[in-house]
Amino acid sequence: GQQLNQSPQSMFIQEGEDVSMNCTSSSIFNTWLWYKQDPGEGPVLLIALYKAGELTSNGRLTAQFGITRKDSFLNISASIPSDVGIYFCAGRGGGSQGNLIFGKGTKLSVKP
Amino acid sequence: NAGVMQNPRHLVRRRGQEARLRCSPMKGHSHVYWYRQLPEEGLKFMVYLQKENIIDESGMPKERFSAEFPKEGPSILRIQQVVRGDSAAYFCASSPLSGARRETQYFGPGTRLLVL
Repeated sequence: GQQLNQSPQSMFIQEGEDVSMNCTSSSIFNTWLWYKQDPGEGPVLLIALYKAGELTSNGRLTAQFGITRKDSFLNISASIPSDVGIYFCAGRGGGSQGNLIFGKGTKLSVKP
Repeated sequence: NAGVMQNPRHLVRRRGQEARLRCSPMKGHSHVYWYRQLPEEGLKFMVYLQKENIIDESGMPKERFSAEFPKEGPSILRIQQVVRGDSAAYFCASSPLSGARRETQYFGPGTRLLVL
């Protein structure tokens, strides 16, 4: 079945630093989504990508849909303490009925 | 969380009891997805439903688990004769369209099930 490899597994950075995380897939995806999950809550959508090569920003967040359609990255610029949480990539392949495949998450810790 | 409602937020059951998890999608959304999340893991797809129809249940265990989305009322994920391994967070997501290019899923806050 389709799988997503998300890296890094965790990051511990200083406030103000930039952050980069990525996901790669063994097969082609038609949609890439990035979510953030806080403890005890559900995932909150950050950025949605629908086209290969697409680069989309949401405030300090930028994400790109890889040209090969097998990867995506998320950048966070000038991190702040409230960026702490777990970031998940999720993708939807062409053969799926609509369900998303999730990465295992990147746990971000920000030191003030 | 973008208007998807789930209840209860926390549910404790003893082995052998039944668990019923409810999900009300966002207003105007007619597609519901259920996912399960174990600690330190990503979400795993279980089942996809439209009103009165199960579209894809490929991620749902064949025994003890069932899901419905009736014409009126919330979607229900039902787990019969729960076992300790069913302990997890169960998330519901909804979307307005399926198969369309702009489909995006919005998640509820989840139900945390603990089986004693």
